[in-house]
Amino acid sequence: DAMVIQNPRYQVTQFGKPVTLSCSQTLNHNVMYWYQQKSSQAPKLLFHYYDKDFNNEADTPDNFQSRRPNTSFCFLDIRSPGLGDAAMYLCATSRDPRYNEQFFGPGTRLTVL
Amino acid sequence: SQQGEEDPQALSIQEGENATMNCSYKTSINNLQWYRQNSGRGLVHLILIRSNEREKHSGRLRVTLDTSKKSSSLLITASRAADTASYFCATATITQGGSEKLVFGKGTKLTVNP
Repeated sequence: DAMVIQNPRYQVTQFGKPVTLSCSQTLNHNVMYWYQQKSSQAPKLLFHYYDKDFNNEADTPDNFQSRRPNTSFCFLDIRSPGLGDAAMYLCATSRDPRYNEQFFGPGTRLTVL
Repeated sequence: SQQGEEDPQALSIQEGENATMNCSYKTSINNLQWYRQNSGRGLVHLILIRSNEREKHSGRLRVTLDTSKKSSSLLITASRAADTASYFCATATITQGGSEKLVFGKGTKLTVNP
């Protein structure tokens, strides 16, 4: 089945230790998104790629970076995680950037010790 | 910044009853989408309604959109225990780059009791 896969599902890191979360898709969608969702809050868009074009949200901290080496994969790098970065990180894809539903992966829950 | 706000924040009903959730937003939108999230999981798209549409149906779901009042509602008819989840509205606006950006509300937590 075509899908959005996130690895790992649970990630524990130490304060200040870089961490990378990965997302892959078999849908061959052009757009890939990264959202941060804290407990009982709305998902918040961090950035997205339309093909190779990177679009950062104005309020996304510099601590968060992303890479999309090819259509199928997208990575979220947190350079120096703080306690406030503990959250669920959701990857999503859409076929086109307009009038399209987004397909979400199951998420990676990040714990920062 | 948060655009959509759902009401109520939590809703508890009996199986077989209808559930209505409301969403209000502040700025012009391209479309509005509803998503469902089971606890600790990713979101699942339910329905998309364009800004020039007023009502849309999908199975037991009915969505309305009133752009003059900047509000939308999601009705789930004949609810089932399996409908227990959080429901989010998301407003789609066009970014400077021409693509769409979704801004999610905080969600309504629905509990359907057997």
